[in-house]
Amino acid sequence: GNSVTQMEGPVTLSEEAFLTINCTYTATGYPSLFWYVQYPGEGLQLLLKATKADDKGSNKGFEATYRKETTSFHLEKGSVQVSDSAVYFCALSFSSGSARQLTFGSGTQLTVLP
Amino acid sequence: NAGVTQTPKFQVLKTGQSMTLQCAQDMNHNSMYWYRQDPGMGLRLIYYSASEGTTDKGEVPNGYNVSRLNKREFSLRLESAAPSQTSVYFCASSELLSGANVLTFGAGSRLTVL
Repeated sequence: GNSVTQMEGPVTLSEEAFLTINCTYTATGYPSLFWYVQYPGEGLQLLLKATKADDKGSNKGFEATYRKETTSFHLEKGSVQVSDSAVYFCALSFSSGSARQLTFGSGTQLTVLP
Repeated sequence: NAGVTQTPKFQVLKTGQSMTLQCAQDMNHNSMYWYRQDPGMGLRLIYYSASEGTTDKGEVPNGYNVSRLNKREFSLRLESAAPSQTSVYFCASSELLSGANVLTFGAGSRLTVL
């Protein structure tokens, strides 16, 4: 079956530090890949996505590139802010059929200190 | 524009009691989902509904039932609550954006079973 593995947290960084959160996946075929973010007390929000190999998703200074060769979709940001403190989830899905629902990684808690 | 609305936000039950979590979306999405979120386990799919009139089991359906009342509403019922069902429950709906199945989540319902 499909699965997503992301680096375990928690991750604690100082403001303006570089962020990488690793994500790898196992799937039959070529899924779409996503990063969702969950701020304290809220539901998940889509952060960025990529639908095919070599696509780069970007939003709010975050980036991730769909790497088919390494089955990875690592999240990066060059300079984090305190407001980026949240839980980040990597996920995959297919656009049709019974596998349309998202499969999530376990989440990575990020804390950014001033 | 409310998006996905879940009720109640908080609920405490005793073992064996029943309850229904309500979910409604106003985005005219065809597909809806119920996930549960537990520490260290990410989100796990309980049930989903690809379209009005259809429902399918997800990864962890035991102990739950669902009803897709109409295109807007998708409820989750616990017939006889157990402490193992203590969790945060998220409803979501989805649309295809640029070939990717993108989910919009509600704010969550925190359920405690004593």
